[in-house]
Amino acid sequence: GAGVSQSPSNKVTEKGKDVELRCDPISGHTALYWYRQSLGQGLEFLIYFQGNSAPDKSGLPSDRFSAERTGGSVSTLTIQRTQQEDSAVYLCASSFTFINRDTTSGNTIYFGEGSWLTVV
Amino acid sequence: RKEVEQDPGPFNVPEGATVAFNCTYSNSASQSFFWYRQDCRKEPKLLMSVYSSGNEDGRFTAQLNRASQYISLLIRDSKLSDSATYLCVVRVTGFQKLVFGTGTRLLVSP
Repeated sequence: GAGVSQSPSNKVTEKGKDVELRCDPISGHTALYWYRQSLGQGLEFLIYFQGNSAPDKSGLPSDRFSAERTGGSVSTLTIQRTQQEDSAVYLCASSFTFINRDTTSGNTIYFGEGSWLTVV
Repeated sequence: RKEVEQDPGPFNVPEGATVAFNCTYSNSASQSFFWYRQDCRKEPKLLMSVYSSGNEDGRFTAQLNRASQYISLLIRDSKLSDSATYLCVVRVTGFQKLVFGTGTRLLVSP
């Protein structure tokens, strides 16, 4: 497809279960990002991929959270032993790699529609 | 101190009004600046980039003040369809991630 695709769009899971969220970025985009947004809150950065490597995973809130990206394309965010505070919408985004110059617009990032996670 | 700060609002304005939002950022190494729009229960979408010299796109004007470390968004002739949350976004030199403010909510009424 033309845009960032995420699945599942909605997930209800029981506390303590593991969940996997999938992101299929825009074709050709080398950079992939995961953000989290809790109800009424701002976007919280989780992790960034350049190709298959993750040079910035500073936003992962705990070791229950992990992510991988294969083939420079699809990424999976895994949350183990889910807790109620994990309930949020998990947003994936992709872009071309930003170039480090004083660019005017740079390359923006495009978001998927998100995976809405509810832990009960 | 948050990296990007915005007044959460809401800003309630009538149709046709002009409204302005400000946003401050804390890292002087910030390099790229954007305004995103987010509708209720939807993903953020790019509204406009913010250029050093300021830029305009139709009814929307963005300004950057590097000395004071703030950016602004001006909306003229507000439409009902402008009702949304406006997110101020910053990228720091050497980092790929975008840092988002918590957003300013705008409500345009008839």
